[in-house]
Amino acid sequence: QSVLTQPPSASGTPGQTVTISCSGSSSNIGSTYVYWYQHLPGTAPRLLIYRNNQRPSGVPDRFSASRSGASASLAVSGLRSEDEGDYYCAAWDEDLGGRLFGAGTKLTVL
Amino acid sequence: DAQVVQSGGGWVQPGGSLRLSCAASGFTFTDYYVDWVRQAPGKGLEWIGRTRNKANYYTMEYAASVKGRFSISRDDSRTSVYLQMNSLKTEDTAVYFCSRSPKYDDNALGFWGQGTLVTVSS
Repeated sequence: QSVLTQPPSASGTPGQTVTISCSGSSSNIGSTYVYWYQHLPGTAPRLLIYRNNQRPSGVPDRFSASRSGASASLAVSGLRSEDEGDYYCAAWDEDLGGRLFGAGTKLTVL
Repeated sequence: DAQVVQSGGGWVQPGGSLRLSCAASGFTFTDYYVDWVRQAPGKGLEWIGRTRNKANYYTMEYAASVKGRFSISRDDSRTSVYLQMNSLKTEDTAVYFCSRSPKYDDNALGFWGQGTLVTVSS
């Protein structure tokens, strides 16, 4: 069972904005950086966000993220059909001494 | 362009061993962290372990679920990282990914291999 809690699913129509939440604790999100990964069917995962809210080169600015306390969120604006896939938050856990992934949120573009 | 290319994997019986390889193309692993992550059928991503870079003495950390059974190593040429998996269980069946950190953040998983399937079954 993941210690980082994400909703199992999210959906929106093209052009809409969808937000995915990630809830943790003081030993992970509350004290370390949050990362977000996109995993599209049949591909390797892709780094979307690092250090809470930074986008790597090549990631569109439609993807944004924030962290507040022990929770974080990823927003996808201007939703497109190619955004359909699984989205994972991740953070290092100081107590466990390891990296945690959320269970993932399946994003559907209606 | 930097690429990470995986090899190994396949079918193995419970209790058996397997070694996965993660090769660097266009760079060496010396300055980067390398993590192993897996995805069991129908499940999410699970972190397995990582090796830090040379500046951090190549130290390693493992998830509790694999500690004592799996080990990560690097070769002397600094172009490959390995995941040695021993005492395999059916629940280790998964697609295994290796990932290299980007230059700007040691703790990010920036460059992923294509993944390799490991099936543990009798």
